[in-house]
Amino acid sequence: GAGVSQSPSNKVTEKGKDVELRCDPISGHTALYWYRQSLGQGLEFLIYFQGNSAPDKSGLPSDRFSAERTGGSVSTLTIQRTQQEDSAVYLCASSERLAGQETQYFGPGTRLLVL
Amino acid sequence: AQSVSQHNHHVILSEAASLELGCNYSYGGTVNLFWYVQYPGQHLQLLLKYFSGDPLVKGIKGFEAEFIKSKFSFNLRKPSVQWSDTAEYFCAVNGRDSGTYKYIFGTGTRLKVLA
Repeated sequence: GAGVSQSPSNKVTEKGKDVELRCDPISGHTALYWYRQSLGQGLEFLIYFQGNSAPDKSGLPSDRFSAERTGGSVSTLTIQRTQQEDSAVYLCASSERLAGQETQYFGPGTRLLVL
Repeated sequence: AQSVSQHNHHVILSEAASLELGCNYSYGGTVNLFWYVQYPGQHLQLLLKYFSGDPLVKGIKGFEAEFIKSKFSFNLRKPSVQWSDTAEYFCAVNGRDSGTYKYIFGTGTRLKVLA
């Protein structure tokens, strides 16, 4: 497809388990972002990848969260030892930087529920 | 600190009423401004954006927004809303921050349009 895709669309897990969330960005987009959207909250920035540069991890809430981007395309967000407060919708977005102007395109998100 | 404020958290309007959603930001340097919309059950979509030039920008579905630099504002407007405009609206700012591009999102405004 032409848009950003994410999988799974829904994930239910037990507290303490690890989860992996996947994002397939739009082909050719060099920038990839992960956000967390909790009920009643805005979008919380988690991590940002741009080309081959070191990722900006400044938004990751704890060391249980990590992400990687392989081959400059697909990205995986991993949450270890999940906690109930990790329950949220995790959104991925990609963009193409053009002369300082870029527009993010969002995927449908992964709704994570930690029991 | 960089921030985006959306003062209206919930707005209820009747069809044909005019809409204005406030967005104020705090961000040093050059900014790009965005409004995203999230319809029920759908993912975030770009409504409109401002990079430079004419501060009055027009987006899809009859929406427009005006960038007022002196007020650090980027309010969203629509002269006559429709029931189908029921959605959550997010204002976002993007600018260079410590050498990386980072987006800051507001907490969103939930709009309900009564038929």
